[in-house]
Amino acid sequence: AQSVTQLGSHVSVSEGALVLLRCNYSSSVPPYLFWYVQYPNQGLQLLLKYTTGATLVKGINGFEAEFKKSETSFHLTKPSAHMSDAAEYFCAGGGLGNTPLVFGKGTRLSVIA
Amino acid sequence: EAGVTQSPTHLIKTRGQQATLRCSPISGHTSVYWYQQALGLGLQFLLWYDEGEERNRGNFPPRFSGRQFPNYSSELNVNALELEDSALYLCASSLLPGLTEAFFGQGTRLTVV
Repeated sequence: AQSVTQLGSHVSVSEGALVLLRCNYSSSVPPYLFWYVQYPNQGLQLLLKYTTGATLVKGINGFEAEFKKSETSFHLTKPSAHMSDAAEYFCAGGGLGNTPLVFGKGTRLSVIA
Repeated sequence: EAGVTQSPTHLIKTRGQQATLRCSPISGHTSVYWYQQALGLGLQFLLWYDEGEERNRGNFPPRFSGRQFPNYSSELNVNALELEDSALYLCASSLLPGLTEAFFGQGTRLTVV
């Protein structure tokens, strides 16, 4: 079965520190991968996506992610956290053919001043 | 360009009643997806419509149903509401089925009392 696993339901970083949110996908998930961000009481906003081509993907708000097939990973990083980055982040994969996007359970990012 | 719009934003129903949630996709998008986001459970896939047809269905009971209209808007119906149906229901649309990212609406917060 297709699955996406996010390691850590809650990550806390200091303002200015590196942000690293982990995502692993099952090998049955087609390598079409996405990161979404959700601010309180809002829908999901696409941060970045990997479909084909370059394995290092740059997104909005300074975030980037690297697709590593050998590790079945798609971790999200940002060099320097801002207070405005505090939100819930979802990794998603799939969407090939008749299969919908499969989401991880989300990681809540807190940024400490 | 208008994004995905959902109505109503909040809905309060009594156990046993029926709820109808509506979604208008981005203009030109033919695929509409419904997800349930219950507290602590992440996003659970409910239904996927494309060109008026149900493409896929998640692991939910038959009292969750929906349809897509000729203008590609969609509605989700939940019959015989139960307390555990309380959740944020998110609608998303995509230009093509499958390999493209989905754009999400703000969601409908359904509360069953």
